[in-house]
Amino acid sequence: GEDVEQSLFLSVREGDSSVINCTYTDSSSTYLYWYKQEPGAGLQLLTYIFSNMDMKQDQRLTVLLNKKDKHLSLRIADTQTGDSAIYFCAADWGGYNKLIFGAGTRLAVHP
Amino acid sequence: KAGVTQTPRYLIKTRGQQVTLSCSPISGHRSVSWYQQTPGQGLQFLFEYFSETQRNKGNFPGRFSGRQFSNSRSEMNVSTLELGDSALYLCASSLAGDEKLFFGSGTQLSVL
Repeated sequence: GEDVEQSLFLSVREGDSSVINCTYTDSSSTYLYWYKQEPGAGLQLLTYIFSNMDMKQDQRLTVLLNKKDKHLSLRIADTQTGDSAIYFCAADWGGYNKLIFGAGTRLAVHP
Repeated sequence: KAGVTQTPRYLIKTRGQQVTLSCSPISGHRSVSWYQQTPGQGLQFLFEYFSETQRNKGNFPGRFSGRQFSNSRSEMNVSTLELGDSALYLCASSLAGDEKLFFGSGTQLSVL
């Protein structure tokens, strides 16, 4: 079945760029997503990319998709302390809002 | 525009009991999905409803069930609770099962 993998932890200095990586196994996924979860909160949709695109930019966020390698990345420019959270990569699988999530990458931003 | 609303925010139950969680989607959204989040298994899909019909379900036992009402509000029920059912249950809505899935803050269920 579908599997989504991501590294578990990333530490960056405030003002630097953060890059969170993700790999997935099912090439039939139509959409790939990035969600953010802060402590005690639900999931916030950050951005998503359609599988026929290779890049999408939205303000400080840049998503890169390498469909050949099944690799997705999220770049956060000028990372701030408020960006500290867990970031989840997800791929749709089987339709009707069935998403397969990675384990999440905990982003720690330090001064 | 109000987001996805889940009630209650916290629940404590004992083994063997049953529980009902409620979800009100974003106004105009007709698709509601449920997910379970645990430290060990991460985020797992439970089921999805659209126009009161279940269109997709994940790999959970029959103790987990749900329904959707004509106003798109949804409930999920867990019967005969087990310790392993302790989790954050997240509800999400979208217009019609499209690409933008918005999540609520979740219901934290603790089974003692």
